[in-house]
Amino acid sequence: GENVEQHPSTLSVQEGDSAVIKCTYSDSASNYFPWYKQELGKRPQLIIDIRSNVGEKKDQRIAVTLNKTAKHFSLHITETQPEDSAVYFCAASETSYDKVIFGPGTSLSVIP
Amino acid sequence: GAGVSQTPSNKVTEKGKYVELRCDPISGHTALYWYRQSLGQGPEFLIYFQGTGAADDSGLPNDRFFAVRPEGSVSTLKIQRTERGDSAVYLCASSHPDSSYNEQFFGPGTRLTVL
Repeated sequence: GENVEQHPSTLSVQEGDSAVIKCTYSDSASNYFPWYKQELGKRPQLIIDIRSNVGEKKDQRIAVTLNKTAKHFSLHITETQPEDSAVYFCAASETSYDKVIFGPGTSLSVIP
Repeated sequence: GAGVSQTPSNKVTEKGKYVELRCDPISGHTALYWYRQSLGQGPEFLIYFQGTGAADDSGLPNDRFFAVRPEGSVSTLKIQRTERGDSAVYLCASSHPDSSYNEQFFGPGTRLTVL
């Protein structure tokens, strides 16, 4: 089955700097890669996703890249703000309405 | 509109007892998912329903876990003979496969504590 790895497990950046989280997946059948943000005690919320027919997608300060050949995908947050502090999960799925396999998470702290 | 709701929000039970956790998906969402999240880990897939039927139950850890969705809307996750290792937050999510943006919307979760 699918296995998603993620690093770093913790990341601390100064406000205004960029943050990068990297993930790898194992199943070449995966075609949908969502990213979730989970604040302490809250439910996971989708922040951006990318499908395998696209190499890069951007939404304001957030961008994701996908390298299907290498089975790598990454999240980039620019101009970080304290409210970006949360745990971020990458995930992989065969389709966007299939089961989602989550990575172990990255705890991001943005220092004011 | 209303989001995914789950009840109870917290459940404390004793080892060996039976528990039921309920999920109310977003109205009209035909797909429903159960995940389990232990402290410091990512959500772990348990089971996925498309309508009334379980499309994929490969994540259920053993036969003590069972889920139903008899009318294609509300779902109940049932755990028999609970063990301390079952303690976790149980998350439910729903999605509408026919939409162009097939986001899985999560509920707030049920925190299960087995003493």
